[in-house]
Amino acid sequence: QQQVKQSPQSLIVQKGGISIINCAYENTAFDYFPWYQQFPGKGPALLIAIRPDVSEKKEGRFTISFNKSAKQFSLHIMDSQPGDSATYFCAAMRGKLIFGQGTELSVKP
Amino acid sequence: ETGVTQSPTHLIKTRGQQVTLRCSSQSGHNTVSWYQQALGQGPQFIFQYYREEENGRGNFPPRFSGLQFPNYSSELNVNALELDDSALYLCASSSSGGMKDTQYFGPGTRLTVL
Repeated sequence: QQQVKQSPQSLIVQKGGISIINCAYENTAFDYFPWYQQFPGKGPALLIAIRPDVSEKKEGRFTISFNKSAKQFSLHIMDSQPGDSATYFCAAMRGKLIFGQGTELSVKP
Repeated sequence: ETGVTQSPTHLIKTRGQQVTLRCSSQSGHNTVSWYQQALGQGPQFIFQYYREEENGRGNFPPRFSGLQFPNYSSELNVNALELDDSALYLCASSSSGGMKDTQYFGPGTRLTVL
């Protein structure tokens, strides 16, 4: 049962551009929404997270936008850099983390 | 402060064998969760341990079992290995306090079943 849907599956962005990854969830009981970054051969690293009582959270170049009524949230990476090239996972939590399918981001120099 | 560590890094087993994977939680964390990540997929929740008791389980058969020790480290055991068990196994630790939802992942153990 797919409870968190993530798009796009892959994304190519030019250096300095904005990367946008979207996620949609089904279960309104989810109460915590983190984004993880994963490099090949490594475990996921927490980037930024938000709770449903907040519509936006910004940390450096990373921003989460959250739309509770639409049950959607997105990650925006401003001024994307080649070092940001990785796979990004959204997740939703109610006791356990339910992950999206991942987005492979490639930032071209 | 040390992060989450896992051992071994890589493991090759044959069908029908048993395997034990190990995880040491981050300092100050008393909860450990295990995830299976197949190639090209997001991690899938296997189970969680809190104070040495299983505290939630995902859609995995009973041949996946675990333990948590008094020092909060944990083991994942898989019996009767199948080819589809080939994956990256991730351990994540968290605390039961104010930041209880924040899970920090280890580097994973890559299991290959032949």
